[in-house]
Amino acid sequence: EAGVAQSPRYKIIEKRQSVAFWCNPISGHATLYWYQQILGQGPKLLIQFQNNGVVDDSQLPKDRFSAERLKGVDSTLKIQPAKLEDSAVYLCASSLVAGSSYEQYFGPGTRLTVT
Amino acid sequence: GQNIDQPTEMTATEGAIVQINCTYQTSGFNGLFWYQQHAGEAPTFLSYNVLDGLEEKGRFSSFLSRSKGYSYLLLKELQMKDSASYLCAVRLQAGTALIFGKGTTLSVSS
Repeated sequence: EAGVAQSPRYKIIEKRQSVAFWCNPISGHATLYWYQQILGQGPKLLIQFQNNGVVDDSQLPKDRFSAERLKGVDSTLKIQPAKLEDSAVYLCASSLVAGSSYEQYFGPGTRLTVT
Repeated sequence: GQNIDQPTEMTATEGAIVQINCTYQTSGFNGLFWYQQHAGEAPTFLSYNVLDGLEEKGRFSSFLSRSKGYSYLLLKELQMKDSASYLCAVRLQAGTALIFGKGTTLSVSS
């Protein structure tokens, strides 16, 4: 079974530029999460999708971050414009059924450096 | 706010046993998860507890006391490959995402 795929793996941009990340969850997983992990900290939820609907985006900085999950499969996360404090690893995760004991499966992440 | 505390760093030697503690103060509780994260890699699932007691899975065990807001991860017969960060996470309600602690970096030496 293929895991969660993310691209790119690394990205370096200057502040005020824009960037987009892509995630393809495990086939059949209805729930998709985007987390931000700053160095030395645990992952923090940015947004949660159930199929193509948003379940929780309360911690998403909506003035600069946006995300979509068209057709309930792939998802993209965009930052525009980027700030220095956005430097982090962006992790995508998926789970079979939200709220069950089923664990979340994480992708390899995209390491973003904003200079 | 939600609070999940874990020690920042721990060290141990090969073959030993180590216990990583996690305390939580959250507005809800619907399960506690432990993840392992090697440097530069994605977190991988280790264990899940929703009821009080001990869950054993090979060399790894996890314990939960809901009344005390406390969990621990027990690693036996430590190996060098166990050097990693261990993340404690709580799910507040069914259907919600996880809230993670800052993680405990474990260094295993020979």
